[in-house]
This record gives sequence, structure tokens and C-alpha cells, in this order.
Amino acid sequence: EAGVAQSPRYKIIEKRQSVAFWCNPISGHATLYWYQQILGQGPKLLIQFQNNGVVDDSQLPKDRFSAERLKGVDSTLKIQPAKLEDSAVYLCASSHIRPGLVYSDTQYFGPGTRLTVL
Amino acid sequence: QKEVEQDPGPLSVPEGAIVSLNCTYSNSAFQYFMWYRQYSRKGPELLMYTYSSGNKEDGRFTAQVDKSSKYISLFIRDSQPSDSATYLCAMSSIQGAQKLVFGQGTRLTINP
Repeated sequence: EAGVAQSPRYKIIEKRQSVAFWCNPISGHATLYWYQQILGQGPKLLIQFQNNGVVDDSQLPKDRFSAERLKGVDSTLKIQPAKLEDSAVYLCASSHIRPGLVYSDTQYFGPGTRLTVL
Repeated sequence: QKEVEQDPGPLSVPEGAIVSLNCTYSNSAFQYFMWYRQYSRKGPELLMYTYSSGNKEDGRFTAQVDKSSKYISLFIRDSQPSDSATYLCAMSSIQGAQKLVFGQGTRLTINP
């Protein structure tokens, strides 16, 4: 079974530029998460999708961050414009939903995209 | 005050030692507790998932939850160099590992 794929793996941009990250979850996983992991900290949830709908985006800085999962499979996270404090690893994770809307206990993480904002 | 506190280390121990990793939390709504392992430049992977207070064992790993003290632990027996990684505790008040709140992570090195 292929894991969660993310691209690019690394990105360096100047502040005020825009950047986009792509995630392809494990096939069949209805739930997709984006996390921000700043160096030396644990991941912080930014947004959760179930299929193509947003379940939780309470910690997403909506003035500069946006995310979409148009067909309920791949997802894109965008930052526009980037700030220095956005330097972090952006992790995508997915999990499946069992019959009866029972969410799996396991989130599978991708390798992340390491963003450096100069 | 952070919802989840975890000593960032670093922690360095000799091969074969018993390792104890700990987290405390302040939110009494947390009911689901997890330990993730994260190797350098990789995403976290789930090691242990527990729901109730008490112990859960899986091979060399034992997860312990004490809800009355808001304290969770992960013990690694017969530690190996391949166990060298960052260990993250995570918690949720919702079933199914949703809306996870992670600790800072403890960086562990096992010396041969």
C-alpha cells in the first residue's frame, strides 16, 4: 500500500511570495489533515477535510492560508503572502472512516514539505 | 499554559537501557492518548494508542495513562539504536484520533 505522498519536499521562498504544497493521501482515505510543525515543536493541526468538505479549520490563519480538496482525493495548501514565521515543515496525514462513521485510530503521515521563508 | 507539556530533552541513554518518556496535560476532556515516533526528516508514525487509564503493552513498548494525575508515559525496554528518534505524545477528546494536540516531542538517542 502506497503511503501519503507530498511535494515538493523542500521549498525556499522570499517573504511576501506565495507557495503551494500538494498532498495525495492513501487511496480510499476519506479524512485528510494538514499540520504545521515548527522546528522543535510538535505538529499543530491546521485543517481537517472529510472527503471534500472542511471539518475543522479553526487554527488555520485564513488571512494568508487556504486549502482545498476539490475531488475528495488530492489536496493543496497555499500560503499567500508568506511571512518569516511560516518557516516550518508542513505535514499531510490521512485516515479512513469505517462503516458507521467510525474514524480510524491511526493517522498516516507523509514525509512533509520543509518550507524556508527568507 | 500549554494543553500538553513534554520535556524536549535531548535524552541520551546506552543500548539496552529502559527509557521513560512522559507528558502531562491540563485538559480533562482528553480521553484518547497516543505516542508517535518521528525519525529525522520523516513524518510521525503511530506507536501506541490508548483510551483508558492503565497500561498497554506492545512488544518492547508500554504505554501508561493516569487520568487522575493527567500524566502519560511511554516505556521502552531493551532500547536499540534504531529507537533513536523524536517521540511525540498526542491527545484528543474526540474518538478516532481527530483534532490531535501534540506535545513538543522528546529527542531520544540510544548509544551503541
